[in-house]
Amino acid sequence: QVQLQESGPGLVKPSETLSLTCTVSGGSLSSGSYQWSWIRQPPGKGLEWIGYIYYTGSTNYNSSLKSRVTISVDISKNQFSLRLSSVSAADTAVYYCARALFLGADCSYDYWGQGTLVSVSS
Amino acid sequence: SYELTQPLSVSVALGQTANIPCGGNNIGSKNVHWYQQKPGRAPVLVIFRDRNRPSGIPERFSGSNSGNTATLTISRAQAMDEADYYCQVWDSTTVVFGGGTKLTVL
Repeated sequence: QVQLQESGPGLVKPSETLSLTCTVSGGSLSSGSYQWSWIRQPPGKGLEWIGYIYYTGSTNYNSSLKSRVTISVDISKNQFSLRLSSVSAADTAVYYCARALFLGADCSYDYWGQGTLVSVSS
Repeated sequence: SYELTQPLSVSVALGQTANIPCGGNNIGSKNVHWYQQKPGRAPVLVIFRDRNRPSGIPERFSGSNSGNTATLTISRAQAMDEADYYCQVWDSTTVVFGGGTKLTVL
């Protein structure tokens, strides 16, 4: 059974960088059919896709966040990470890591982490 | 960019059928996935590729997709089905979610 677990600070100051790590167990990040994503959900609002990374290091980001986002992978630790720079209150959200089954021109999320709330406040 | 439109809320009487629409330009040409999210919990995939149920999802959940609307159908709705539901597609290398629909079981 694949499990994903987010970790990182729950409070970040405005203008600083948010950093989260997702640890994957029960499966390998280097499995070829999967992409590894970050998705967020502001309080009381809907889901927003942030971006994904493939085990090769190939990435793709939401165009609205692209200038501030970096997703990286550490195969040896079976982890992938999110960095979001220059945060503001609008970045306050529950951040989820998730596994996307990628088949041709399509993907769906079959496993999710439990989510971690990150608040941006001074 | 591609957009998915969902009603904010849908209500259904206990034991009846709920239909949750997801609108998008020619969405019938895409694969649509549906997620259920209960308060304080991560989303759960309930339908993938328009009409397929993952293991463990009750047969009461079904989906369809044609033209400009995809639909999640919940038959014989139960109290435990009360949740937020999100549709999702893949569009030109990006992931798009609908705004979500809150299903209330009366």
